[in-house]
Parts: sequence; structure tokens; C-alpha cells
Amino acid sequence: NAGVMQNPRHLVRRRGQEARLRCSPMKGHSHVYWYRQLPEEGLKFMVYLQKENIIDESGMPKERFSAEFPKEGPSILRIQQVVRGDSAAYFCASSPTMGQVKNIQYFGAGTRLSVL
Amino acid sequence: TQLLEQSPQFLSIQEGENLTVYCNSSSVFSSLQWYRQEPGEGPVLLVTVVTGGEVKKLKRLTFQFGDARKDSSLHITAAQPGDTGLYLCAGATSNTGKLIFGQGTTLQVKP
Repeated sequence: NAGVMQNPRHLVRRRGQEARLRCSPMKGHSHVYWYRQLPEEGLKFMVYLQKENIIDESGMPKERFSAEFPKEGPSILRIQQVVRGDSAAYFCASSPTMGQVKNIQYFGAGTRLSVL
Repeated sequence: TQLLEQSPQFLSIQEGENLTVYCNSSSVFSSLQWYRQEPGEGPVLLVTVVTGGEVKKLKRLTFQFGDARKDSSLHITAAQPGDTGLYLCAGATSNTGKLIFGQGTTLQVKP
């Protein structure tokens, strides 16, 4: 049973380029969450998606960042015109259920983005 | 804004010692999860506690959820070098899927 798959594991971009991070949830999971971990900091929630819907994007920066989870294919976190401050580890998590007390999220290995 | 204060941030102990990591908040959580993260990897779920006062044991690790569901602790008995890593607590609310993470505790167990 494959876990949450993220790719690429490492991504290097120059300032001004676009970064696309992909996440395939665990089989049977329809809820996807993106978190960002800056150096020496904890994980911060960015966005929560279900298939074709953004449920909560309260942690997303207002500009340059977008996320989608299409009916077919992986969830994509897109960062346009990257800046050095975007350098971080980006983690995706998935869960099978929502609206219940027990909300268990399983994490991928992350994508480490470096902006030169 | 919901916050989780995790302490201590760093802990270096000798093999065989006991330790406790604390996670505190002024907010009530519907559940609280503990993760362990290795360098270069994602967080791996250790346990989820749901009921106030709940205690769960995982070999030498004991997890407790406070009666008011605002705090939690992780106690490790007779720590081993293999326990070295970053330990994260994360609280979930019932009305949204997002997890609120603590800052993490970096544990080093010396042989």
C-alpha cells in the first residue's frame, strides 16, 4: 500500500521562475493538505483540498501561490515568480475522513525547494 | 489564533535516561497527534489521542492527553540512541482539517 508520494524530492529554481510541486495521496484518500516548513521552524498549514475543491486556504500567501486537486491526477502546489524566502520544505498530507473527531493525516517525504 | 507551545525545544541526554516533552495550548483540540521526523523525511505518525485524560503506550513511549484537551505530554522511558529525532505535536480542530503544529523538540540520545 503506497504512502503519500511527493515529487520532486528536491527542486532548485532561480528567482522569478515557477515551481510546481506534486502530491499523490494514499489510495482511498480524498483529502489533501499542504504544509510548509521553514528552516528552524515548525510546520505551518497552507491549504486543504478535496477533489476539485479548495476547502480552506487560510494559510496560503495571497499572491503567487495556488493549489489544485483535479478529479484525475495529483494535487499541485504552484508557486509563481519564486523568491528566496520561498525556500523551504513543502509537505503534503492526506486523510481518508473529515468532519470526525479523529482526523489522522499521513505525510509524504516532502519537496525541498531551493531558490537561488 | 490557535497556538501549540512545545517544550523543551532541544534535549540532549544519555542512553537509559527518562524524558518528558510537553505540548500546551490555551485552545481545546478535538484530537492531538504526535509525529516523529527524521532529517530529510516527512513526519511519521506515532499516535493520536482523542479523549480527555487518555493515555496511550507505544513500547517505551507514553502519551497523555490533558483532561481539558488543551495539553499533552510524551514520556520516553530508558531512552535509546535510536530515539534520536525531531518530535512534533499537532492539534486538530473539529471544524477544519488543518493541524496546528508545535515548534518541535529535537532529541539527542548519546550512547
